[in-house]
Amino acid sequence: SQQGEEDPQALSIQEGENATMNCSYKTSINNLQWYRQNSGRGLVHLILIRSNEREKHSGRLRVTLDTSKKSSSLLITASRAADTASYFCATAPNSGNTPLVFGKGTRLSVIA
Amino acid sequence: GAGVSQSPRYKVTKRGQDVTLRCDPISSHATLYWYQQALGQGPEFLTYFNYEAQPDKSGLPSDRFSAERPEGSISTLTIQRTEQRDSAMYRCASSFPGSGETQYFGPGTRLLVL
Repeated sequence: SQQGEEDPQALSIQEGENATMNCSYKTSINNLQWYRQNSGRGLVHLILIRSNEREKHSGRLRVTLDTSKKSSSLLITASRAADTASYFCATAPNSGNTPLVFGKGTRLSVIA
Repeated sequence: GAGVSQSPRYKVTKRGQDVTLRCDPISSHATLYWYQQALGQGPEFLTYFNYEAQPDKSGLPSDRFSAERPEGSISTLTIQRTEQRDSAMYRCASSFPGSGETQYFGPGTRLLVL
């Protein structure tokens, strides 16, 4: 079953605009990760934020985490056509060495 | 190796046939995961290995699915007596041991069962 729930399911923006995607999850986590999937290609890890962190930056990416609300957001600034992809949040639970639980993803289209 | 590789990239088979998918993880990674991804959905966990041990196979949908990693490196996922509902992308990922560290995904195997 999928824990994460991304919102919106699909997003279409103009090149240069910012894109914000949200993720909500249900159970406690050790960390939350965001992945990108381009059409026909594999999943690429973007950023990992731990449960004791509130915000993290990587290039044009900004991730926030609110464990009290069990939610995270991914902001892509100054979007480019190459950012067109599906974005997934994935949670790692607290205990043990367990796999990631992915959401259904947000499909982002950046129009040039 | 430089990254996770999977083979074949595409597999078309007839209902009832057995298929075996292969994953070659990053050589220094002890942990290997298998996921199934239906169209328009996120990946869903099938099973994982720490070296050759298989601590969790709770995600395998039925006993037709099995996985091996006999020498702690390359892994295979076998689906016996395939059914149309098995059609999906099968993704392999590897990582260093430890809870929830970054997973590196292969390109996947697209399986189509006719």
